[in-house]
Amino acid sequence: GQSLEQPSEVTAVEGAIVQINCTYQTSGFYGLSWYQQHDGGAPTFLSYNGLDGLEETGRFSSFLSRSDSYGYLLLQELQMKDSASYFCAVRAPGGYNKLIFGAGTRLAVHP
Amino acid sequence: EAQVTQNPRYLITVTGKKLTVTCSQNMNHEYMSWYRQDPGLGLRQIYYSMNVEVTDKGDVPEGYKVSRKEKRNFPLILESPSPNQTSLYFCASSSPQVSYNEQFFGPGTRLTVL
Repeated sequence: GQSLEQPSEVTAVEGAIVQINCTYQTSGFYGLSWYQQHDGGAPTFLSYNGLDGLEETGRFSSFLSRSDSYGYLLLQELQMKDSASYFCAVRAPGGYNKLIFGAGTRLAVHP
Repeated sequence: EAQVTQNPRYLITVTGKKLTVTCSQNMNHEYMSWYRQDPGLGLRQIYYSMNVEVTDKGDVPEGYKVSRKEKRNFPLILESPSPNQTSLYFCASSSPQVSYNEQFFGPGTRLTVL
């Protein structure tokens, strides 16, 4: 089966850097995605890693190590608006849009 | 504006009363999915569809039905809702022409079954 583990909560201050980890167990691996969800809102796509290494998009970066079944989302220069829940997700065997999500990490950014 | 729409946004119903939550996307996406979101459990996929008339079960399909008769629409049907189906539901779409991995989510439907 497939499962993903990520911390339930992370706290940081404005301007700081925070890393949200995700470890996964899958019977087949097709890449790791990250989504952001603000309270009351819909999830929005942040990034995707299909190969090992770092992908950077502005203040956000995502890293993948397939040999370690591990990835992380790195948020730099934190802003209050980054307070949200962050989900990692993997594509499961059986269909290109058969996705498994982690339980989510709630990030609280304080002044 | 490219978007996924869901209706209704909020629904309170009673056990056993059939209901349908509609989902429509205007991006010509091939793939569509339904998820439910419960506290501490993240998003769990209910059903997904890879094209018209092609649907398959996700992780939590029991008690739900779907149909995909048109590319843009993917309704979720609860034939006999029960209180354990009280949840926040999201529809999503994506396209292999863009990225298999970028799902576009609708605004959500909050369902309460009494």
